[in-house]
Amino acid sequence: EPEVTQTPSHQVTQMGQEVILRCVPISNHLYFYWYRQILGQKVEFLVSFYNNEISEKSEIFDDQFSVERPDGSNFTLKIRSTKLEDSAMYFCASGLAGAPEQYFGPGTRLTVT
Amino acid sequence: AQSVTQLGSHVSVSEGALVLLRCNYSSSVPPYLFWYVQYPNQGLQLLLKYTTGATLVKGINGFEAEFKKSETSFHLTKPSAHMSDAAEYFCAVTRMDSSYKLIFGSGTRLLVRP
Repeated sequence: EPEVTQTPSHQVTQMGQEVILRCVPISNHLYFYWYRQILGQKVEFLVSFYNNEISEKSEIFDDQFSVERPDGSNFTLKIRSTKLEDSAMYFCASGLAGAPEQYFGPGTRLTVT
Repeated sequence: AQSVTQLGSHVSVSEGALVLLRCNYSSSVPPYLFWYVQYPNQGLQLLLKYTTGATLVKGINGFEAEFKKSETSFHLTKPSAHMSDAAEYFCAVTRMDSSYKLIFGSGTRLLVRP
């Protein structure tokens, strides 16, 4: 069964550094998403991406964040100048066009020290 | 705006007992509703969904949920709990006139006692 994959599973970085989190969505899916879950808190929507552009973003998704689909398979989240409060689990998800259900990857745990 | 409330951050049941996890939503337009399960150190797995049609929906692992518009609820049930059901369960809502971004509840951790 096809699944969403994410790398790395755990990333440790120093405050102020840039990180890139990578995702490979399910191959025939056209909608891509990033969510985050700070420890002990809700899963929060960050951004949705369709047809090579952002379709919706949350207030959290400010200029520090960017997304890209650099090729036909990868979907990345870049976080510039990381802060301690960026420490969280980041989930990638994908879905078919016109279908509301999303399929999630296993997540990347980002730890900012 | 949409929102989801899950009553009970922790629910404990005995193996073989009924599982009932509560979810209430708020939405100004017809919602799409989901339950996801998260096992320790794993991602979110789709359990079941309500989009349109039948209000009682069945999912994987013997779970089902009923959409009750009058009560704005989408409670998750399973007749007989199994030890392997111990996990965190998230209710989520989205809407058609959006990018289908999911709004999640705060989650309910299900504990199953032997």
